[in-house]
Amino acid sequence: GQQVMQIPQYQHVQEGEDFTTYCNSSTTLSNIQWYKQRPGGHPVFLIQLVKSGEVKKQKRLTFQFGEAKKNSSLHITATQTTDVGTYFCAGRGKAAGNKLTFGGGTRVLVKP
Amino acid sequence: NAGVTQTPKFRILKIGQSMTLQCAQDMNHNYMYWYRQDPGMGLKLIYYSVGAGITDKGEVPNGYNVSRSTTEDFPLRLELAAPSQTSVYFCASSYSDRVLYSNQPQHFGDGTRLSIL
Repeated sequence: GQQVMQIPQYQHVQEGEDFTTYCNSSTTLSNIQWYKQRPGGHPVFLIQLVKSGEVKKQKRLTFQFGEAKKNSSLHITATQTTDVGTYFCAGRGKAAGNKLTFGGGTRVLVKP
Repeated sequence: NAGVTQTPKFRILKIGQSMTLQCAQDMNHNYMYWYRQDPGMGLKLIYYSVGAGITDKGEVPNGYNVSRSTTEDFPLRLELAAPSQTSVYFCASSYSDRVLYSNQPQHFGDGTRLSIL
């Protein structure tokens, strides 16, 4: 079946630094979504990528969909304390009956 | 719009008890989902529904049941609570155009934190 893996599982970042989290699928995806979950909160939709090689930006966040549509990345520049939380990718593909499969998430801690 | 509303927010159950987690959405979304999230882990799909009267199993359906009698409501039933079902349960909804196959983002409720002792 379809599996979605995220690395790293934990990311400790100094405030002001950049970091990247990666998402890899075992099968080709039709699209991928990214969500953010603040501690004690619920997942909140950030963005959806559909096209091969697509790059989208939201302020300091840059999302990329791989050419083969099997991987994605989220890059955050100049990390702030407001970036604390868990970032999940969720891939949709035929292998999972077109249901979303969530990765395990990357937990981001920011050191002031 | 309230979005997705889940009740209760917290609950403690004894082993073997049963309960229903309620979920309602006011966005006229056709798709609804139930996930569980164990501490420090990702989301696992329990059941989902593509419309009133239609439900299907997700990744981890054992020990749970659902029904979808209306577009708005999607309750999750635990019949015989077990310690392994201690988790945070999230309900979500989305709109999916099955003709154009346009997949919209999922909107999540605040979750129900369930402990079984």
